[in-house]
This record gives sequence, structure tokens and C-alpha cells, in this order.
Amino acid sequence: SQQGEEDPQALSIQEGENATMNCSYKTSINNLQWYRQNSGRGLVHLILIRSNEREKHSGRLRVTLDTSKKSSSLLITASRAADTASYFCAPRMNSGYSTLTFGKGTMLLVSP
Amino acid sequence: DGGITQSPKYLFRKEGQNVTLSCEQNLNHDAMYWYRQDPGQGLRLIYYSQIVNDFQKGDIAEGYSVSREKKESFPLTVTSAQKNPTAFYLCASSMDRVRTEAFFGQGTRLTVV
Repeated sequence: SQQGEEDPQALSIQEGENATMNCSYKTSINNLQWYRQNSGRGLVHLILIRSNEREKHSGRLRVTLDTSKKSSSLLITASRAADTASYFCAPRMNSGYSTLTFGKGTMLLVSP
Repeated sequence: DGGITQSPKYLFRKEGQNVTLSCEQNLNHDAMYWYRQDPGQGLRLIYYSQIVNDFQKGDIAEGYSVSREKKESFPLTVTSAQKNPTAFYLCASSMDRVRTEAFFGQGTRLTVV
């Protein structure tokens, strides 16, 4: 299966705390992408990390990738109520009819 | 104003009727995708297309059909053979099939009445 598996399924924190969510996958990848979905909306791309990168930052987001363990993590620092959303990872394979598939996501609730 | 547009936002269908969901993009993307999302669940891939006049079945293609006659357009038809069509449908596009990020439409919520 190409899809990633996010963990935990749900995460509840207070504003100002950090949120960490993890993604595991099974195949070798070209890159891994993280997306956010607000309730009832489409997904929004957050960050793409390539297989030869180990860490990437974008604002309050920090993504790590460990290809030996086939895992990635997304850290949101100093969380805000507006970060409340579901987060999905999408590992992208190198070859063949690679497509874009998602797991069930991590539902993050940030309380004021 | 570039982007990907799904229409309509809400759609009601009587049992036994076919219905077509529209997805249009002006991003000049080659790859396009259709997903189904049920409440509290992740996205399940219905069909995808890597290039014009070519498309592949995803994980849950039964009861659905698509066409890709133009680069900009990837309509999804929900047929009467789909047993439980009530769901949130999302369309996405990406420049290529591996290296770039995807852009999503705002979704169509289909309800069978």
C-alpha cells in the first residue's frame, strides 16, 4: 500500500503547547507531503520533504524524515486555536503508477 | 486567479439517478484525482488521471466513472450502481505524478434523498 498511516488518531492540547504527529509508510519514496484539512473543506498542502532531506522548516512547522525507519513527524510549535484541523501525510513513490493516497489522518484540537 | 474549482458545492440526488460532479483546473496540471470522504474518515481514492485521455481506477472505483477529454477537466459520474453515494467528494490536481504538491478543490457534498 502506498498510503501513510498517521498517529495518533486524535490529539488534544492547549494553546501555546507543541503538537507532534507521526506518519509511517511501507515503500521507498521520492518525497513525503503533509496536508491540513479544516472541517468541511479541501486539503491544503503544508510542506514537502524529499527523500534526501532529514529536516525541513516552514514557519511554526518542522518536519523530519527518517527513511531507514520509513517514518516522518510533523511538529507544530506554539499551537493556536486556528491550528485545529485534521492532518494527513502522503508518501510519494518513485516509480510506476505512483498516485496520491492518504490515511485517516490525525485530528488535532487546540483549546484556548 | 489560478486554482481548482468543484461544482456544485451541495448536490441532492434521488436514488437510482446518475449525477455528475464537475472539477476544473487552470493550473496546467497533468495529474488529477477524485476522492471520497465519509464522516470522521480519511480520503479514499476513486479514480486518477496522469494525462489527458488516460485514467486509472483507485481503491473504490465501483459505481463511479470518469473522463479526461481535456487537460483542465476531470468530471466524476456517480452512477446508480454506487450503493452508498452520500459522501463528501474532493478533487485534486498536481503538476506531475510524484514530485510536486497537490491542490484541492473545496469539495462537493452529495446527499441521496
